[in-house]
Amino acid sequence: QKEVEQDPGPLSVPEGAIVSLNCTYSNSAFQYFMWYRQYSRKGPELLMYTYSSGNKEDGRFTAQVDKSSKYISLFIRDSQPSDSATYLCAMSEMNTGFQKLVFGTGTRLLVSP
Amino acid sequence: DAGVTQSPTHLIKTRGQQVTLRCSPKSGHDTVSWYQQALGQGPQFIFQYYEEEERQRGNFPDRFSGHQFPNYSSELNVNALLLGDSALYLCASSLRQGRAYEQYFGPGTRLTVT
Repeated sequence: QKEVEQDPGPLSVPEGAIVSLNCTYSNSAFQYFMWYRQYSRKGPELLMYTYSSGNKEDGRFTAQVDKSSKYISLFIRDSQPSDSATYLCAMSEMNTGFQKLVFGTGTRLLVSP
Repeated sequence: DAGVTQSPTHLIKTRGQQVTLRCSPKSGHDTVSWYQQALGQGPQFIFQYYEEEERQRGNFPDRFSGHQFPNYSSELNVNALLLGDSALYLCASSLRQGRAYEQYFGPGTRLTVT
């Protein structure tokens, strides 16, 4: 079993839809949770990060962490064609630059005009 | 600030050959991590360098080795290439004293092994 599970998609939605992306994990030591966006043939770029359980909102993006269920989510409101990309969840045990990141498979999102 | 740069952008090698990939970290960063991203998969941690030493290693064979130079730039070497080594190789730079989310990725080097 992988430490982090993520549905690879693709997930196809019309412009303006609310998108829900999810990851589950098995390592209870994970405390820091990140979402990255990766466009085709590019490196991942950080979208949001959260610590422990709770919600965090940034513009059209909301990240949720439920440590009791080992489940994290990223919501995208008013989705745009420019949001079409692969979304990767990543986790680490400690919040230092020394920490390796454990990634999910990534979910490919397609937003049609 | 040029951010994290990697070279070459892509290359094609034959099974059994050796390859060297290069990474220049973001200005001010002292730690470099390497990840392998196979097609349709998430990045997998290979190893991490700080103060010119390998500090952490993922589940990769000894064919994968690296180096960090005094200017913090880094190289990833892969010997005896296998078809399964075909992937996007990502370099991430960070500060030893920074935060986990402050790891910045380069654009990657796409390696194709034929």
